[in-house]
Amino acid sequence: DAGITQSPRYKITETGRQVTLMCHQTWSHSYMFWYRQDLGHGLRLIYYSAAADITDKGEVPDGYVVSRSKTENFPLTLESATRSQTSVYFCASSLDRGRIYGYTFGSGTRLTVV
Amino acid sequence: QQPVQSPQAVILREGEDAVINCSSSKALYSVHWYRQKHGEAPVFLMILLKGGEQKGHDKISASFNEKKQQSSLYLTASQLSYSGTYFCGTVSIMEGSSNTGKLIFGQGTTLQVKP
Repeated sequence: DAGITQSPRYKITETGRQVTLMCHQTWSHSYMFWYRQDLGHGLRLIYYSAAADITDKGEVPDGYVVSRSKTENFPLTLESATRSQTSVYFCASSLDRGRIYGYTFGSGTRLTVV
Repeated sequence: QQPVQSPQAVILREGEDAVINCSSSKALYSVHWYRQKHGEAPVFLMILLKGGEQKGHDKISASFNEKKQQSSLYLTASQLSYSGTYFCGTVSIMEGSSNTGKLIFGQGTTLQVKP
């Protein structure tokens, strides 16, 4: 199906484990983003990417790693999960860096670190 | 630095109007508005680019005052379907000029429309 999909939808992991959240889009959008959403903080930018092999830090990058070897995929890895990384994670993409068309968000991954 | 939204929450009756404000300390290239319903992803509403434009569709419109680094979202004759959390997102002049598309969101305004 066309669109932007995230997997898994729900994930429970233990402190210290590595976990990867997947994001896949079928539109060939150049721009992709990872946000985390926590009560009282709204949506905070973790990392973003302007194209394949081009990534940069957002507001809260510590503890996260991204890669973008293909335009359609933008996985987010928590190297050693901590309880403070319990959150809802949203991936988003944009055709034109949000100049006209805005961002389209995936359905989100609810991550719980125990 | 996150833009600041006000108010934090609004409760309306159907048919009433509401205004949500978004203010930034940075010079802005553009302002986005999104709506998020509980348990769902944010959905894009509109973008305003620097130039002081105003946009709207249906009964939802927005303005952008680039001199004050402020934007306002206007919901007219609210409907039950307008309930949700509204987020503004801002792109600074610096980020806009460098084509990063880096969008920073405010903390959100929760709108509840009652029958």
